[in-house]
Amino acid sequence: KQEVTQIPAALSVPEGENLVLNCSFTDSAIYNLQWFRQDPGKGLTSLLLIQSSQREQTSGRLNASLDKSSGRSTLYIAASQPGDSATYLCAVISTGANNLFFGTGTRLTVIP
Amino acid sequence: KAGVTQTPRYLIKTRGQQVTLSCSPISGHRSVSWYQQTPGQGLQFLFEYFSETQRNKGNFPGRFSGRQFSNSRSEMNVSTLELGDSALYLCASSGLAEYNEQFFGPGTRLTVL
Repeated sequence: KQEVTQIPAALSVPEGENLVLNCSFTDSAIYNLQWFRQDPGKGLTSLLLIQSSQREQTSGRLNASLDKSSGRSTLYIAASQPGDSATYLCAVISTGANNLFFGTGTRLTVIP
Repeated sequence: KAGVTQTPRYLIKTRGQQVTLSCSPISGHRSVSWYQQTPGQGLQFLFEYFSETQRNKGNFPGRFSGRQFSNSRSEMNVSTLELGDSALYLCASSGLAEYNEQFFGPGTRLTVL
């Protein structure tokens, strides 16, 4: 069964700092990997989708990388802002499945 | 285009009652998935529907059921509610053209008293 782990569980940084969130998964047979953002009590907002054949995706200040063979992904956030404060979730769809397996998330706080 | 919508946004029920939640996917999306989010268990997959057929099911008791209509709208039902069913229920839709990228609705917050 696919298991997804995110480290660290919580992170607090000053505004303007660059930061990296980590995600690891146990089964490398994945169809795609998706990063989400969740604000307290809200739904999930899709940030980036990386297909299994891709190595990275970029959107604005966000860059996500994927190393399928080692079962790892990172989300890089450049020049962090207080509005980036949220919980960031990593999730994978395993090959042959249609559902997401979620990590437990990293709660990010950006201090002004 | 409009995003995924879920109704109602909040529900309060008592133990033993049943509840029905509704989800309308993004126009053109035929896959709808349901997830339960709790502080203790995180996000867990309930089931997925595609073209009115349940394609995949998570590890939840039979009290949790769902269906999908011909317009791709989906409902999930929980019968004989338990205190532990209190959670945020999230619905996601996806389309093949977008490599199954999942788009989530705002969720329904269910409180069981």
